[in-house]
Amino acid sequence: QKEVEQDPGPLSVPEGAIVSLNCTYSNSAFQYFMWYRQYSRKGPELLMYTYSSGNKEDGRFTAQVDKSSKYISLFIRDSQPSDSATYLCAMKGGGATNKLIFGTGTLLAVQP
Amino acid sequence: DARVTQTPRHKVTEMGQEVTMRCQPILGHNTVFWYRQTMMQGLELLAYFRNRAPLDDSGMPKDRFSAEMPDATLATLKIQPSEPRDSAVYFCASGFRQITDTQYFGPGTRLTVL
Repeated sequence: QKEVEQDPGPLSVPEGAIVSLNCTYSNSAFQYFMWYRQYSRKGPELLMYTYSSGNKEDGRFTAQVDKSSKYISLFIRDSQPSDSATYLCAMKGGGATNKLIFGTGTLLAVQP
Repeated sequence: DARVTQTPRHKVTEMGQEVTMRCQPILGHNTVFWYRQTMMQGLELLAYFRNRAPLDDSGMPKDRFSAEMPDATLATLKIQPSEPRDSAVYFCASGFRQITDTQYFGPGTRLTVL
């Protein structure tokens, strides 16, 4: 079993819909949680970062972390065709290591 | 607009050939990562360096892969000999030690080994 599980999709939604993307994990030592967005044939770029449990909002994006359930989510409100990309969750422990563990990514298509 | 650069962007080679991929991290960043991305495995960390010293290369097949940082502006990943199962996109990322440990990814090298 992988440390981080993520549904690969694809997920297709109409423009304006609310999108929910999720990851589950098994390592209770993870403390830093991130979402990366990766457009086709590009490198991933950091979208959201959250430390420990709770919510974080940035414009149309909201990241949620539930450490008790080992479950993280990314919500996209008023989704746009430009949001079409692969979304990767990533997480790491609180130690000195910089090693991020990534999910395999969810492919999202927002239809105009 | 500072960004990580990688060369070549695409590489097609035959099994058994040596492949060298290069990365120029963002100026001032002291941590460099090499990742491999495939559909089946997603993003896998191969190796990473801090201040040019290798900290972890446990994700790398030691018999054929090697990673180096000859200077602060250049990181290399070499495969010798290459095999068809090495076909993937190889990403370099750089960052600097801070709480968020943000990693900035390059555009990747798409490697096909025939």
